[in-house]
Amino acid sequence: NAGVTQTPKFRVLKTGQSMTLLCAQDMNHEYMYWYRQDPGMGLRLIHYSVGEGTTAKGEVPDGYNVSRLKKQNFLLGLESAAPSQTSVYFCASKRDTLNTGELFFGEGSRLTVL
Amino acid sequence: AQRVTQPEKLLSVFKGAPVELKCNYSYSGSPELFWYVQYSRQRLQLLLRHISRESIKGFTADLNKGETSFHLKKPFAQEEDSAMYYCALLNRDDKIIFGKGTRLHILP
Repeated sequence: NAGVTQTPKFRVLKTGQSMTLLCAQDMNHEYMYWYRQDPGMGLRLIHYSVGEGTTAKGEVPDGYNVSRLKKQNFLLGLESAAPSQTSVYFCASKRDTLNTGELFFGEGSRLTVL
Repeated sequence: AQRVTQPEKLLSVFKGAPVELKCNYSYSGSPELFWYVQYSRQRLQLLLRHISRESIKGFTADLNKGETSFHLKKPFAQEEDSAMYYCALLNRDDKIIFGKGTRLHILP
């Protein structure tokens, strides 16, 4: 009964380091999303995927890359972390277009860039 | 441009009083709108969607296309309603855009 699982839950990086956040879902959902949540800014869409092998840019894609090699996994990469990327990152999935809009969220990953 | 606006960062309401969380949107076309809620130490979850015309936990929201609004309402606030509330819009590219959120604080 895992749903959407994000790893790691916490991470501290130095400026310039790279890292990858993993999102895994066990609901066979087609669509997956990465958001960042910042105080006063709400949730902003970074990248999303409408199916295995596809990715698309969201509202704030700069500085991030994503991959969806397997349907159940959606990876978010930071090649060269910056302090502005300090945030809480949320992954979400939804079944398909017919399901229209119900997102299932992970617990979040708190990233601090020093 | 597609945008979801929640004008209030914080809304404090006494228990038993009516609640209205405001949401306005800009979108060319027929929008699909949602309210999501994040209770303390819980995951963000769907509260309700406009196409369902449902009432969840006493909350309702009506889509007003003329005013481009989707305000969330509850006639009598309860302490367990304290949470962060997000209005969201689904566009034709399957992007789901969120507002900045309103923190609802129910006063005893």
